[in-house]
Amino acid sequence: DTEVTQTPKHLVMGMTNKKSLKCEQHMGHRAMYWYKQKAKKPPELMFVYSYEKLSINESVPSRFSPECPNSSLLNLHLHALQPEDSALYLCASSPKDWYRGGTATTTTAFFGQGTRLTVV
Amino acid sequence: EDQVTQSPEALRLQEGESSSLNCSYTVSGLRGLFWYRQDPGKGPEFLFTLYSAGEEKEKERLKATLTKKESFLHITAPKPEDSATYLCAVQAGADSSYKLIFGSGTRLLVRP
Repeated sequence: DTEVTQTPKHLVMGMTNKKSLKCEQHMGHRAMYWYKQKAKKPPELMFVYSYEKLSINESVPSRFSPECPNSSLLNLHLHALQPEDSALYLCASSPKDWYRGGTATTTTAFFGQGTRLTVV
Repeated sequence: EDQVTQSPEALRLQEGESSSLNCSYTVSGLRGLFWYRQDPGKGPEFLFTLYSAGEEKEKERLKATLTKKESFLHITAPKPEDSATYLCAVQAGADSSYKLIFGSGTRLLVRP
């Protein structure tokens, strides 16, 4: 089973709202990621969690706040977003991240189906 | 600077017309190259991991190969359901190796 589950599938929020995106995997993976993807562009890395600790923040604005409550769950809290933040938000996981001695096989990332976010 | 380039940007094929997609890369030290398929509005679906020159992997009508400078995704006798965007990503062996460097993708359309 290589399933990463994201909820909700679609989200429309106002610029003053607070919402959260959720991601769950039960593959025992210890690295989890948030990506942002705009139309007809490749995914862009936002955050990396390794063993439930934030290891990479790709200079993401503070209106995006990640959280990793346990090894299976990853959240992305959203607050005061802008219309240009509308995009497909992807969660991914891999058995390990590279810094902990992963190989190409153990760092292969599996993606969820994404949350289509629209900020109005 | 690490770079991944995919060509062509878009490809239209007739059903049964075989072809190849290219992914060329310039990185400081290849650790792994990954192929994904992405349908509109969905997340990327993992296809293959390659990590050494000369390696080949197959899955149904798809075959991925790797050289020291590029990878090819060969599609044999494609069907309309193979229509999707195919993404190549590379993991480099330097400080940035914790992330995937994606190419811009090839949008494939297979006509019946």
